[in-house]
Order: sequence, then structure tokens, then C-alpha cells
Amino acid sequence: EDQVTQSPEALRLQEGESSSLNCSYTVSGLRGLFWYRQDPGKGPEFLFTLYSAGEEKEKERLKATLTKKESFLHITAPKPEDSATYLCAVQDANDYKLSFGAGTTVTVRA
Amino acid sequence: SAVISQKPSRDICQRGTSLTIQCQVDSQVTMMFWYRQQPGQSLTLIATANQGSEATYESGFVIDKFPISRPNLTFSTLTVSNMSPEDSSIYLCSVELAGGYEQYFGPGTRLTVT
Repeated sequence: EDQVTQSPEALRLQEGESSSLNCSYTVSGLRGLFWYRQDPGKGPEFLFTLYSAGEEKEKERLKATLTKKESFLHITAPKPEDSATYLCAVQDANDYKLSFGAGTTVTVRA
Repeated sequence: SAVISQKPSRDICQRGTSLTIQCQVDSQVTMMFWYRQQPGQSLTLIATANQGSEATYESGFVIDKFPISRPNLTFSTLTVSNMSPEDSSIYLCSVELAGGYEQYFGPGTRLTVT
């Protein structure tokens, strides 16, 4: 069974203080690893897909990286509007469903 | 991406009743899914909504409790039947577009059962 573990559970940052979120996973064969952002009371918003170890994707202050066992979401010089819960999910190569981690709630203080 | 809408956005229901949630997409999609997000928890897949045939349910979810319809490539419904307070959750539909594996989510339906 696919497993996804995210750490830390919560992260409080000062505006401009860069940090990283971790997503470690166990899957028989990885089709893709996905990062989402979820604001309170809303559905998850798609951020990135990573397919193979060594791949990197960037979007504004966010950068996602992938190894064979984990993925990192780096937040560079965060702003208060980056406050959200960030979810990681994996898709097994033999299946279509996403297995989600519990998420990391990021709070950025001005 | 796709524009996904859900109705209702929220509801408060009495135990023993049923609620049907609608999911509408602005374009034809290959795959549609229904998830549950319990308070403070992450997302759990309920079922895959198959167009023109019975939905495929995940372990722990059954058709009698969560009947699903998908009459065409842009619309699906999820019914939460004979509700109890434990069914209080956010219910989300998602879609997978042709040519990609990522899923796009609707805004969710917040259900409270009293």
C-alpha cells in the first residue's frame, strides 16, 4: 500500500524566512508526485507534478524537488499570502488514484 | 486546467436523511473522482465515477451508503445516504484531464450532520 508522510505538521515563518517542507513516500512504482496548496474552506489547488528523481519545478517563490524516496517543497522569502496547507500526493504506476499525506500547515507572519 | 463547480457549497442535515452533491465540469474529462476530507484530516478517495457504468469504490466505502452517478463526461453526483454525525466532512470532486495525470479539485461541499 502506498504511504505518504509529510513533515513538519505545522511551520510558522517570519516573512522572508525561507524554509522547506518534506514529503517522504513509499510506492511500488511512481507514476507521479503532486503538490497542492489548500486554503481554509477551499478545494486543493494544483501546484506541481514531478515524475522522476532529479526533476525540479518552480513557481514564483515555490520550488519542488524529487528524489527516489522523498520530495521537498522549498519556500523562498515567503510572504503572508503563502500561508496555507501544502499537500503532497503520489500516484502509483499501476493505479490512477492519489494517496495523500496529512499536509503541512504553513503560517507566514508579516 | 478545468473549471469545476459543486452544489451545494455547504449544508446542515439531520441524521437519517440523504444529501445529493453535484459536480459540474466545464469541459469533457476522462476521469472523475469523489474524495472525503474529515475535519483536520487529509483527503481520502471514496470512489471513481465511471461514465455510463457503476462507480469503483475504495475499501471502506460501499454503494449503498455513497451511490454515485455519472451520466456524461462533464457531470457527476454523490449521494450521502442515511447520514450520521460521522459523515460530517468536506466532500470534494476532482477530475483528471486527457494528457496529464494531475487532478483538479472542485471547491468542496461542507456537510454537517446533526
